[in-house]
Parts: sequence; C-alpha cells; structure tokens
Amino acid sequence: QKEVEQDPGPLSVPEGAIVSLNCTYSNSAFQYFMWYRQYSRKGPELLMYTYSSGNKEDGRFTAQVDKSSKYISLFIRDSQPSDSATYLCAMRKSGGSNYKLTFGKGTLLTVNP
Amino acid sequence: SQTIHQWPATLVQPVGSPLSLECTVEGTSNPNLYWYRQAAGRGLQLLFYSVGIGQISSEVPQNLSASRPQDRQFILSSKKLLLSDSGFYLCAWSHSGKGTGQPQHFGDGTRLSIL
Repeated sequence: QKEVEQDPGPLSVPEGAIVSLNCTYSNSAFQYFMWYRQYSRKGPELLMYTYSSGNKEDGRFTAQVDKSSKYISLFIRDSQPSDSATYLCAMRKSGGSNYKLTFGKGTLLTVNP
Repeated sequence: SQTIHQWPATLVQPVGSPLSLECTVEGTSNPNLYWYRQAAGRGLQLLFYSVGIGQISSEVPQNLSASRPQDRQFILSSKKLLLSDSGFYLCAWSHSGKGTGQPQHFGDGTRLSIL
C-alpha cells in the first residue's frame, strides 16, 4: 500500500462550483499536512498548512484533516478559472530531524468559465 | 520576504555531458534546502537535503550529487548525464529547526531534457 494516495483526476468543474480534493494515507505518524497548487511548468506553491486534526480556512480554501480516518481534504469555494492547476497533498512526521515530505501524485483540476 | 531562484528554467543536454543547476534563497538565514525531481505520473521525489553549509544528505542513490558552498546556495551536479536523468528539477527551502514542522517553499524549477 502506498503511503499517500491521491486520485489523479482529471477533475473538470464549472466556474463557481465547490471543489473537493482528497488524499488518504497509511502512516499514522504523519502529523503535518500541506496542500500545494502547481500551475503548468511552475513549481508547487504552498496553499494550506495544518497540524494534526481539524479544519483551517483561508479565503475560499478550507483544509480538513481527519486523523482517525487517515484522510485529508481541500475544499475550494466559488471556484475560478484561475484555480485550474494540479493540486498536491503532502505530509510529514513530527519530531527530530525528519524533514522528508511525502507527496501525493497530484489531482489535475480544470475550472471551466 | 523570502524568495527562491532557480536557473536555468530550461536545459537541453546530450547524454554523457556534465550538469550544474543552481538555486539561491534570499531573505532568510540558515535555511534547510532541498532538491526534488518530478517525473510525469510519479510525483515528487526527494533527491538531497541540507541543513547547513557542507552538510548534504542523499535520499536516493543515483548519478547526481549536491553541494552547498554557501549558506543560501544549493547546487545539483552530475559528471555524466544519463537519459533517465530527464525531468523537472525543483529546489525548495524551509526554515531550520528540528521538529518544527516548517513547510517547504519551492522555486519554479528547471526542465531538463537529455538527448
């Protein structure tokens, strides 16, 4: 079983829709969870960063972490064509010198005007 | 604010030629630095990370090496490129400090094609 699973899509939605992106993971040691947005031919851009379980909201973006289910989500409200990109989840363990991020393979999102 | 620069943006190299990719970070001191490779359908693979000048940890045995000659400079090198070295190479940085869970911030990458 892969440590992090993410549906690659592609996901196509109309402008204004609510988008739900998800990742599941198998390692209960993961404590820090991130969502990155990557436009074509660019580097990933950090969108959301959360620690342990719960919700975090930033503008149109909401990140949810459910550690009991080993499941994280990113919701995008009122989606815009400029949200069209690949979304990557990432996570890492806590403590010590463990700097390694484990990434999902990304979900390609297209928001149609 | 902090910024990260990578160059070149695109590079086409023949098999067997050497490689040098450079990454610099501005606006912070003693960052942790990382090199990743992103291959289509395979996600991001951590190649090297560094917690200080001259301190390099390798994640994957390969044809590549990394060096950190200055606090905010990270270089990815190869003596002889292989076809399998093609890919999108990304440099990233994070604030230092053990166990702080600091997120990583990426540059815009170098697209390397080996012919």
